[in-house]
Amino acid sequence: KAGVTQTPRYLIKTRGQQVTLSCSPISGHRSVSWYQQTPGQGLQFLFEYFSETQRNKGNFPGRFSGRQFSNSRSEMNVSTLELGDSALYLCASSSSGDTQYFGPGTRLTVL
Amino acid sequence: AQSVTQLDSHVSVSEGTPVLLRCNYSSSYSPSLFWYVQHPNKGLQLLLKYTSAATLVKGINGFEAEFKKSETSFHLTKPSAHMSDAAEYFCVVSDPNTDKLIFGTGTRLQVFP
Repeated sequence: KAGVTQTPRYLIKTRGQQVTLSCSPISGHRSVSWYQQTPGQGLQFLFEYFSETQRNKGNFPGRFSGRQFSNSRSEMNVSTLELGDSALYLCASSSSGDTQYFGPGTRLTVL
Repeated sequence: AQSVTQLDSHVSVSEGTPVLLRCNYSSSYSPSLFWYVQHPNKGLQLLLKYTSAATLVKGINGFEAEFKKSETSFHLTKPSAHMSDAAEYFCVVSDPNTDKLIFGTGTRLQVFP
């Protein structure tokens, strides 16, 4: 089976812009979670989607949003980008239970 | 609340010597615990998972971890380090109500020739 894929792998944006990141889970996995990784804050949970519904949400401002499609692919959107949003954004998928498999990440740089 | 504490931010070993990466956990429930590894500019790879079936868990690449409830520890070990083991290692606990993963701060492993 193919692993979790994320596109694009790298992005450069300027402050105030918005960005959309995409994640395709492992085939058959219905749960997709998003995490933000920064040197200062480490790995933090953003949100989780299951069967097109947001099931859990972390402690991030409303500028961070996401959605999941019927084929389980997920997107996350960040509006009004700030310098502090520069990070590696990781997507993980799981079929059931709690073992999550991660993609390679999207590195976002905000200038 | 669930949490994990990785006791060392950096560990340096010589190739061929044993590796010990320490992790303590805090959990109100019987926890699900994981070790993930992240090589530079890569995503996270699952090394091993504990779910109460056995206290000694064997993972990939010769790593194993032992769950010790009395010490609330889940230390990662490998008998003989390889240069390719140099990476960042994360101890992780899963929130049983949400399946959200809660990460430790990471341990950077350096392996010297």
